[in-house]
Amino acid sequence: AQSVAQPEDQVNVAEGNPLTVKCTYSVSGNPYLFWYVQYPNRGLQFLLKYITGDNLVKGSYGFEAEFNKSQTSFHLKKPSALVSDSALYFCAVRDGFQKLVFGTGTRLLVSP
Amino acid sequence: DTAVSQTPKYLVTQMGNDKSIKCEQNLGHDTMYWYKQDSKKFLKIMFSYNNKELIINETVPNRFSPKSPDKAHLNLHINSLELGDSAVYFCASSQGYRGQRGNTIYFGEGSWLTVV
Repeated sequence: AQSVAQPEDQVNVAEGNPLTVKCTYSVSGNPYLFWYVQYPNRGLQFLLKYITGDNLVKGSYGFEAEFNKSQTSFHLKKPSALVSDSALYFCAVRDGFQKLVFGTGTRLLVSP
Repeated sequence: DTAVSQTPKYLVTQMGNDKSIKCEQNLGHDTMYWYKQDSKKFLKIMFSYNNKELIINETVPNRFSPKSPDKAHLNLHINSLELGDSAVYFCASSQGYRGQRGNTIYFGEGSWLTVV
């Protein structure tokens, strides 16, 4: 079965600094990887995905993610964090044709 | 304007009651889902429908019964509610079924269910 792991429960970063939220994956075959963000009391918003092609994927709100096949990682990054980026971030992998399997989530806290 | 909308957003009910959550998507997708987010924020799929046909049922108690009257709607009915059913329930949709694993799944705003 496909799975993803998010090793950090929380990431703290100061506003203006670069941020990285880590995700590693375990798949058989080609990985289809996704990042979602959940703001407090809100739904899941799609940020970006990797299907094939360039290892650097650009997404919404200035986020990007780097796919690294040798390290089986798909880390989420942003060059300059904003306080409004504070939220819960989920990495996910497509399992079969239907399911998304989610990681446990990483809480990002950006301090002013 | 909302792509995936679900109602109600908040629901507080007593144990033993029966309740429904409705979901509608206006994206023209043919596949819809219900996901459950527990108190630890862990997300897990419950059901998936493609063109009104049940595709995935992830060992959910049969007190939970999804119904898809058409491909734009997927409702969730829960009988005899238990304390452990308290969670956030997310409806979602995507286009395509077989061979389209790269398609994005779009989620609604969630329905916060509290059973007391």
